[in-house]
Amino acid sequence: GIQVEQSPPDLILQEGANSTLRCNFSDSVNNLQWFHQNPWGQLINLFYIPSGTKQNGRLSATTVATERYSLLYISSSQTTDSGVYFCAVKSGTYKYIFGTGTRLKVLA
Amino acid sequence: DGGITQSPKYLFRKEGQNVTLSCEQNLNHDAMYWYRQDPGQGLRLIYYSQIVNDFQKGDIAEGYSVSREKKESFPLTVTSAQKNPTAFYLCASSISLVGPDTQYFGPGTRLTVL
Repeated sequence: GIQVEQSPPDLILQEGANSTLRCNFSDSVNNLQWFHQNPWGQLINLFYIPSGTKQNGRLSATTVATERYSLLYISSSQTTDSGVYFCAVKSGTYKYIFGTGTRLKVLA
Repeated sequence: DGGITQSPKYLFRKEGQNVTLSCEQNLNHDAMYWYRQDPGQGLRLIYYSQIVNDFQKGDIAEGYSVSREKKESFPLTVTSAQKNPTAFYLCASSISLVGPDTQYFGPGTRLTVL
């Protein structure tokens, strides 16, 4: 089955810094989502982005489907950005496959 | 407000007991899912359902059972056959299983076996 790898596994930033999170997948995909899991466990949808580029405030994402990767950019990070960021992909099946996540801690 | 609710938030179970986790959505979504998350790990699919009275096993269905008698409800039972049930359980829904679909998640239930 399709493999999903996220990097880096852990990231510590000072407030105000920018960061890039990466998601690599081993096969072509028809759906891709980015999620933020807050410290209480709630998964928040960030982007539905099987291809192209989207922006929402300080966050933006780019998926290059032909090269099998997606990037999540966080600019001017805030302490509330802390948590785990997951990439999830779907490839011709009924289910999403989740990566193991990037654990982000933003220091004040 | 539209959304997904899960109850209880925390659940403690003695070994040998069955417990049922509730998941309700008012988004009018056809598809619903149950995931398990272990500490420091990603999500793994337990069961999914495309329509009422139909559901399919995911990757780790052993020791779990579900029902889908109503569109808005998809309860998960953790049976005594599940050897290591302590985990965080997340319910999700989407408009459908096929085509472009965005999954939305409930707040989760933390199950601990005593």
